[in-house]
Amino acid sequence: AQTVTQSQPEMSVQEAETVTLSCTYDTSESDYYLFWYKQPPSRQMILVIRQEAYKQQNATENRFSVNFQKAAKSFSLKISDSQLGDAAMYFCAYRRSQNYGGSQGNLIFGKGTKLSVKP
Amino acid sequence: EAGVTQFPSHSVIEKGQTVTLRCDPISGHDNLYWYRRVMGKEIKFLLHFVKESKQDESGMPNNRFLAERTGGTYSTLKVQPAELEDSGVYFCASSQYTGDWFEQYFGPGTRLTVT
Repeated sequence: AQTVTQSQPEMSVQEAETVTLSCTYDTSESDYYLFWYKQPPSRQMILVIRQEAYKQQNATENRFSVNFQKAAKSFSLKISDSQLGDAAMYFCAYRRSQNYGGSQGNLIFGKGTKLSVKP
Repeated sequence: EAGVTQFPSHSVIEKGQTVTLRCDPISGHDNLYWYRRVMGKEIKFLLHFVKESKQDESGMPNNRFLAERTGGTYSTLKVQPAELEDSGVYFCASSQYTGDWFEQYFGPGTRLTVT
């Protein structure tokens, strides 16, 4: 079974600085998808960034980028120029490719990292 | 376009009582998922509907949980009778599956407290 581990329960960053959130996962499959979701306080989770395992290039979305190390099964999220609005719970998630059958789409989450941004 | 909505936002019930949670997916989304996060633990998958059919209910904890999706629109998740360990945040998500890649859109969650 696949598992996702986020080893940092809480992180803090100064506004305008850069922070990296860690995520490792365990799988025997070669094709899959990885995600970072953000959940601001009392609001719904939104997708921040995604990575397809077959792509070697790291995904980037504005100030958010990932460092995807497939062999090491690592998928960290870097937030550059941190803003107060980045304060939230961040969840790393894994989804199996349909090539491996099973349920079409259920996500496997880590425990989350609570990010605080200091002004 | 309205997002995924969930009702109620918070429910406090006593052990042994019944609670029904509701999820309204984004209009036109055939896929609906239920997840649960128990305090301090991972968000866990409960089940997946495709239209009105249960595609996968492997994550349902036990037979005290009953999920339905009438007419392939909104879904309800009933817990009967509730136990203390059922406390947590219940999330609903929906997606319009197209090919191998699709995005799940999440609702704000229902916080269930069983006392």
